[in-house]
Amino acid sequence: DIQMTQSPSSLSASVGDNVTITCRASQSISTYLNWYQYKAGKAPKVLIYAASSLQSGVPSRFSGSGSGTDFTLTISSLQPEDFATYYCQQSFRTFSFGGGTKVEIK
Amino acid sequence: EVQLVESGGGLVQPGGSLRLSCAASGFSFTSYEMNWVRQAPGKGLEWVSYISSTTNTIYYADSMKGRFTISRDNAKNSLYLQMNSLRAEDTAIYYCARLRLTRGGRWFDPWGQGTLVIVSS
Repeated sequence: DIQMTQSPSSLSASVGDNVTITCRASQSISTYLNWYQYKAGKAPKVLIYAASSLQSGVPSRFSGSGSGTDFTLTISSLQPEDFATYYCQQSFRTFSFGGGTKVEIK
Repeated sequence: EVQLVESGGGLVQPGGSLRLSCAASGFSFTSYEMNWVRQAPGKGLEWVSYISSTTNTIYYADSMKGRFTISRDNAKNSLYLQMNSLRAEDTAIYYCARLRLTRGGRWFDPWGQGTLVIVSS
């Protein structure tokens, strides 16, 4: 099984800050890496697929990069609606998620 | 509008069974591979199972093998998850999700709103 390690597990930030979340795979997964936003009581929402492709309708302040084993999600100029939990997911071999990163208001 | 609506969750005793359903609308269900994902209280997202569009290929997460069975009825635009021998640790919100494909990528979109399963005596 492919293990996904996300860091940090939580962070505090202010509106307008730039935020970076990292995800590491236990083996190479090429670009089969996705990022999701999760808010309690709502369906998870894909932000970035195939490591760096922005899902239609997602604000351009979200961006993703990386390939192989190391990946990054960047939120530029954090907005109030961005406070949520973010998960990476590998889809190279079946599927697995990282442990999540909770982005909280400082 | 593409929509997935789960149902069938509820309270069940340890060792019991439950069948979840996911009704799809707004797209050609027959053409898409589907998945179940769960989130236990205070935990992260956990992939549960995958089924191909024709049911030829099925995968399960290791902790679910032998207890859970995924299936679909393309004529009814519906996805199912039969859960047997339920344990307290199966308590979670269960989501169905459609698989999207592109060169170099596979991702889940959309997801349903989820159905809550509570395993407790």
